[in-house]
Amino acid sequence: TQLLEQSPQFLSIQEGENLTVYCNSSSVFSSLQWYRQEPGEGPVLLVTVVTGGEVKKLKRLTFQFGDARKDSSLHITAAQTGDTGLYLCAGGSGGYQKVTFGTGTKLQVIP
Amino acid sequence: DAGVIQSPRHEVTEMGQEVTLRCKPISGHDYLFWYRQTMMRGLELLIYFNNNVPIDDSGMPEDRFSAKMPNASFSTLKIQPSEPRDSAVYFCASVRGAGANVLTFGAGSRLTVL
Repeated sequence: TQLLEQSPQFLSIQEGENLTVYCNSSSVFSSLQWYRQEPGEGPVLLVTVVTGGEVKKLKRLTFQFGDARKDSSLHITAAQTGDTGLYLCAGGSGGYQKVTFGTGTKLQVIP
Repeated sequence: DAGVIQSPRHEVTEMGQEVTLRCKPISGHDYLFWYRQTMMRGLELLIYFNNNVPIDDSGMPEDRFSAKMPNASFSTLKIQPSEPRDSAVYFCASVRGAGANVLTFGAGSRLTVL
């Protein structure tokens, strides 16, 4: 079974602060996605990374895929209250349409 | 496109009752997934279909759970009989094509079994 551990589990910060969320596994993934989920809604895809060492930026969000494709990080610069939500990493393997989700990081940004 | 549509959004039932959750995937998507989300276990894959055929149901917790996809635009997840430990949010998701691994989720069905 492939497991994805996220840290921290909970994070409460002030608006304007920076933060990093980590996603770690002992397994290699062919691709890794980050989703954000708001209360009462399903997860919504933020980004997909597929190459070891890849870095993608989405405005204030920076995503990195580890060189060995076993881990990833999400860095948010100058957090805003709209960033509040549950962040989930998800690893894809081989040709199967089967995605393993991480344990999740619940982020609260306080005004 | 209206996205993935799930119903009901909320269901409260008593232990022992049958529960049926419904999902309409995005038109043209050939893969459909059912997930369950709880605080304790996070988001777990229950079963997924490709072209209406169940491919992997290893995540289905027990025989009380069953899922069907009679056509490309409709799927059901049934729990019979329901138990309090089945209380969770059930999500349906769909995707087009192999290898993409990019899922579009519905808004979920929150199930409470008393």
